[in-house]
Amino acid sequence: ILNVEQSPQSLHVQEGDSTNFTCSFPSSNFYALHWYRWETAKSPEALFVMTLNGDEKKKGRISATLNTKEGYSYLYIKGSQPEDSATYLCAFYGNYGQNFVFGPGTRLSVLP
Amino acid sequence: DTEVTQTPKHLVMGMTNKKSLKCEQHMGHRAMYWYKQKAKKPPELMFVYSYEKLSINESVPSRFSPECPNSSLLNLHLHALQPEDSALYLCASSPLTSRGGGEQFFGPGTRLTVL
Repeated sequence: ILNVEQSPQSLHVQEGDSTNFTCSFPSSNFYALHWYRWETAKSPEALFVMTLNGDEKKKGRISATLNTKEGYSYLYIKGSQPEDSATYLCAFYGNYGQNFVFGPGTRLSVLP
Repeated sequence: DTEVTQTPKHLVMGMTNKKSLKCEQHMGHRAMYWYKQKAKKPPELMFVYSYEKLSINESVPSRFSPECPNSSLLNLHLHALQPEDSALYLCASSPLTSRGGGEQFFGPGTRLTVL
């Protein structure tokens, strides 16, 4: 059973604060790491697909880094806004694409 | 057309019924996925089709039977389900040409209730 963990489980920040959270995954048989944004009552929406060690990706105020050797990825949000409130899911793609497992998510609440 | 559609939106069925869920995409994606999602939990992968062939079956009970008739359509046939199978069933698709599997586009889901 693949172990994909995310921390913290939940996070409350004030509008304008910058924040970050972690996804941990097995460092062996790595194929890709995906980040998704999931709002309540909606389907997950893709943010990033990361494949190479040292990858850094950015979309607006959101960015992510990847360390495949130690098995972690960070997601950063700069200047959080209330509309950033959602659950952020990472998903580990392992074993040459034969395993795809979502982490439990980090629930972010941005207070105005 | 950049969306994944799923029908029906809601389905209530008895344990002896046979029903099917349908998923469709017209983005030219060659990978399609079925997920099961319980309340407030992340999606759990059930099946993956690549180029219309089943490539991953995550030890799903045989009462769930997937079918991929063509590159745009994905079905999930349901038979003799149990009440614990009640969940949101999500379909997704992704381009296989992108490294890392490509980002997945999710449909809105079918909310299934088994009585």
